[in-house]
Amino acid sequence: LAKTTQPISMDSYEGQEVNITCSHNNIATNDYITWYQQFPSQGPRFIIQGYKTKVTNEVASLFIPADRKSSTLSLPRVSLSDTAVYYCLVGGSSGTYKYIFGTGTRLKVLA
Amino acid sequence: DTGVSQDPRHKITKRGQNVTFRCDPISEHNRLYWYRQTLGQGPEFLTYFQNEAQLEKSRLLSDRFSAERPKGSFSTLEIQRTEQGDSAMYLCASSLGGQASNEQYFGPGTRLTVT
Repeated sequence: LAKTTQPISMDSYEGQEVNITCSHNNIATNDYITWYQQFPSQGPRFIIQGYKTKVTNEVASLFIPADRKSSTLSLPRVSLSDTAVYYCLVGGSSGTYKYIFGTGTRLKVLA
Repeated sequence: DTGVSQDPRHKITKRGQNVTFRCDPISEHNRLYWYRQTLGQGPEFLTYFQNEAQLEKSRLLSDRFSAERPKGSFSTLEIQRTEQGDSAMYLCASSLGGQASNEQYFGPGTRLTVT
């Protein structure tokens, strides 16, 4: 199973771009990379998913280098409401259903 | 609201009692997952269903834990002879099949307190 490593915490100011990097050295060939956001006392919420290169949606971008051993979640112009824990998740290969969340990155956005 | 629902939201029980939690997934989702989350940690995968088949249960924490999804719709997670170490948030998630399976939709969770 691919284990992920993320920074424990990050601080940022409103309006800044935030980049959170996740390492997943033993990612399997068919694994996808997915990021979730979690607020206190709520279940995680899907943000973005990708396999390679770059994926962008209305809330974030995901950058994946060619070797896929890491990925970077980019949040443009964060606001106070983006204060949350962000998890990187690797998995989804056919026949593999054990999704391993790490301890996540606690992002604090300051005014 | 057509999201994932869980019941109850909170459960306080005494050590040694049995508890059962229910999860209702998004109706068209055929995959259902159970996780446990303790304070300061990420969700810990417990088990997974595709329709009514339990395809992965090796992560269930002990034989006191069991899960069912009898008709491929709602699911229940039972903990027998609860222990104080079982106190945690129990999360349910559902997803469609196929390559989008990492896109899981989580419910609000059931917070269990064992006294």
